[in-house]
Amino acid sequence: QQQVRQSPQSLTVWEGETAILNCSYEDSTFDYFPWYHQFPGESPALLIAIRPVSNKKEDGRFTIFFNKREKKFSLHIADSQPGDSATYFCAARAGNTGKLIFGLGTTLQVQP
Amino acid sequence: GGIITQTPKFLIGQEGQKLTLKCQQNFNHDTMYWYRQDSGKGLRLIYYSITENDLQKGDLSEGYDASREKKSSFSLTVTSAQKNEMAVFLCASSPTGGVYAEQFFGPGTRLTVL
Repeated sequence: QQQVRQSPQSLTVWEGETAILNCSYEDSTFDYFPWYHQFPGESPALLIAIRPVSNKKEDGRFTIFFNKREKKFSLHIADSQPGDSATYFCAARAGNTGKLIFGLGTTLQVQP
Repeated sequence: GGIITQTPKFLIGQEGQKLTLKCQQNFNHDTMYWYRQDSGKGLRLIYYSITENDLQKGDLSEGYDASREKKSSFSLTVTSAQKNEMAVFLCASSPTGGVYAEQFFGPGTRLTVL
């Protein structure tokens, strides 16, 4: 069964710390791994994404680390800011259908 | 740039009622999606369509019908609303092809069934 497991369910960090959000999967046909963020009352929006040919993707304070062998990927948010407080969803695209399979989300709270 | 509009924004229905949600996009994207978002359960795919008149079932298609009338619009019908049901229905679109195929989401329709 195609699944993406995400942890933790909720995470609280202090301003300036690095927040680490984790995901894992089982299906080797997954070929694209995006992270979406969703602020309260808003819709999800793409934050950053990676393909399995790379093991790291950076965009400012946001970095994806990807481990193909262990089928795990994580989002690191450096120098966390209160404005980063949101729900973060990892996802994986099934290579055969193009469908995105979403994790259940991590609610991040950054305390000032 | 483009935009996705969903109507209505709020939908209140009665148990057993047939309810229709509408989505329009002006990105000129080929693929459109309907997701259901429940608190604590992430986003679950109901239906998607890769082109006009195409329809593909997602993981949560039972109890729903969908219709891709034209490239820019995708409708979802709840065939029989369940009592005390509350969820947000999100429409999304993405271009076909290309490695990254980012999905863009609409603002959502919030359903409450009395």
